[in-house]
Amino acid sequence: SAVISQKPSRDICQRGTSLTIQCQVDSQVTMMFWYRQQPGQSLTLIATANQGSEATYESGFVIDKFPISRPNLTFSTLTVSNMSPEDSSIYLCSVTVGASNIQYFGAGTRLSVL
Amino acid sequence: AQTVTQSQPEMSVQEAETVTLSCTYDTSESNYYLFWYKQPPSRQMILVIRQEAYKQQNATENRFSVNFQKAAKSFSLKISDSQLGDTAMYFCAFRQGGSEKLVFGKGTKLTVNP
Repeated sequence: SAVISQKPSRDICQRGTSLTIQCQVDSQVTMMFWYRQQPGQSLTLIATANQGSEATYESGFVIDKFPISRPNLTFSTLTVSNMSPEDSSIYLCSVTVGASNIQYFGAGTRLSVL
Repeated sequence: AQTVTQSQPEMSVQEAETVTLSCTYDTSESNYYLFWYKQPPSRQMILVIRQEAYKQQNATENRFSVNFQKAAKSFSLKISDSQLGDTAMYFCAFRQGGSEKLVFGKGTKLTVNP
């Protein structure tokens, strides 16, 4: 299994500002994933972050809006840039540990944009 | 592209009774994995059960079991002896073999009534 810590757990931000979300894992992992969960909706994958390379973004998500850093094998950040009320969501990071084929999730960051 | 469909947006069950949540998926692949995740109101996503497509035997984890019908592309979750703590959103998810991406259904909100 994996213990994943996300910070902040929630935030209220003003339109036009940016927020950086941190994700820390208690073990080294190759891939880290960032998801968005809009109110009352399912999870949508934003991007996959590999250490030492550019993140891979899913259709509909771009690096300018959601820049991702992956400086080492236990840490990643997701920035939500130039926020608008439509960015109000829960943002979750997840990892796959070992050969288990199981993804473990952080508790999420609940973002509200005014 | 793979899709996952959960046709029951909401369900309710009395405590100690049994409930079945439905999930169907669409794929042309033969090697894949299926998962049920639980997201309680506190929002931490927790794995409930997983099934490898190559295994004919249905997975079981204590009170949770699945009915995996590969030909019908159906993967339902049965919860026996329902408990109040089972109240949560339940997401069905698909992962193609060789990939680490998860595709989620829209979720079923389950309420267990005392």
